[in-house]
Formats: sequence, structure tokens, C-alpha cells
Amino acid sequence: EVQLVESGGGLVQPGGSLRLSCAASGFTFSSYSMHWVRQAPGKGLEWVSYISGPGGTRYYADSVKGRFTISRDNDKNSLYLQMNSLRAEDTAVYYCARGLKAAAGTLDYWGQGTLVTVSS
Amino acid sequence: EIVLTQSPATLSLSPGERATLSCRASQSISSYLAWYQQKSGQAPRLLIYDASNRATGIPARFSGSGSGTDFTLTISSLEPEDFAVYYCQQRSNWPSCFGGGTKVEIK
Repeated sequence: EVQLVESGGGLVQPGGSLRLSCAASGFTFSSYSMHWVRQAPGKGLEWVSYISGPGGTRYYADSVKGRFTISRDNDKNSLYLQMNSLRAEDTAVYYCARGLKAAAGTLDYWGQGTLVTVSS
Repeated sequence: EIVLTQSPATLSLSPGERATLSCRASQSISSYLAWYQQKSGQAPRLLIYDASNRATGIPARFSGSGSGTDFTLTISSLEPEDFAVYYCQQRSNWPSCFGGGTKVEIK
């Protein structure tokens, strides 16, 4: 069974940093691309970032480019999102999701999310 | 950057009725569109990928159509568990993006 479990969320001050993790199980992690998607309270979904299976290709939303870094450790079956220079508008539930093998930009399994709150 | 516009924002229907949801792209995205369902307090679930392909385990009452800039998600006969928010998402160009969502509510 595919499982994705996010962790690392919490309360952080504006300008601060946070590192999210996503532990994957139930599939060959290195064979799949992975994504981060976020959802501000009461709002819609916002795609954040993508990383290919081997980790060599990464993409970001304009809203986070230069501040967030996606990475992965295929030996540990883990995905990460390093978030720096956090702003109030980054407050959201952050989901990790797996890319569909036949269509890497489509998200076929999602974690339950971790809440990040940016506030003083 | 591609922008996806979903309509209507809210759809009020009764169980058993047909639901038709629209997603329009600001430029052609071929068939690279997916649909997701999200219930309150839950993570989204993939329904349809590449415009018309049902994901694993998705009931046949869900169908997708369209190509280029205009796409439709149809629920042929609404079940009580189908009342939720639906999002479209494109994978044609990076950065990827989602539409603003359509809420299907009980009339």
C-alpha cells in the first residue's frame, strides 16, 4: 500500500525557515517523481514544486522560487522541502504527492498534509 | 504561465442528477489535464488524468473529455459521497497549476 507521511510543520516567524519531510513507503521511491502542493486555509490548491525520480530535475512555482528548495534521499525513501524567508502568505497545509508514472505531472497519491503557520 | 479557470464556482444539485464541471485553459494544453476530488478535511484524490483516463478505482460515473483549452468533468448520476470540491490541474507546461475549484453541493 502506498503511504506518504509528512512531518515538520509548525509555527514559525516571518523571515524564518522550516524543513518539511515526507516519508514514503509501499512503492519503489526512486522510480517516481514527487511533488509538493499547498493549500492555504479555506482556499484552493497551489502546486509548489516537482522533483524527478533521480533528483536531477526540479521545478518551482514562481511564488516560492529562490526561497524554497525541494530535495530527496532515495536511500531513505524521503522527500524534503526546505523553506526559507517565510512569509505570512506561505501559511498553508503542505501535501507531498507522488507523480503518476505514465504522466509525471499528475499526482496519483497524496499524504495527509502538514500545517505550516507563519506568524509573529 | 498557464491559467486554469473553472466554472461554475458552485453547483447545487440533488443526488441522482448529472453534474457538468468546466475547466478552461489560457492556452492550449493538449490533453494534459487531470481532475481531483477533495472532501472537507481530506487530501485530494485523483479522478481523471490526461483529460479522459479514469484513475485506478474510480467509478465509471466519472468521465472526462476535452482537449486544447476546454475540458469537462461529468458525473453521470450524483451519489451522496460525490458532494465535494473538484479541481483541474495541467501538466502541459512547468510550472504546473490548479484551477480555482468547483464546489458541488447538495440542493
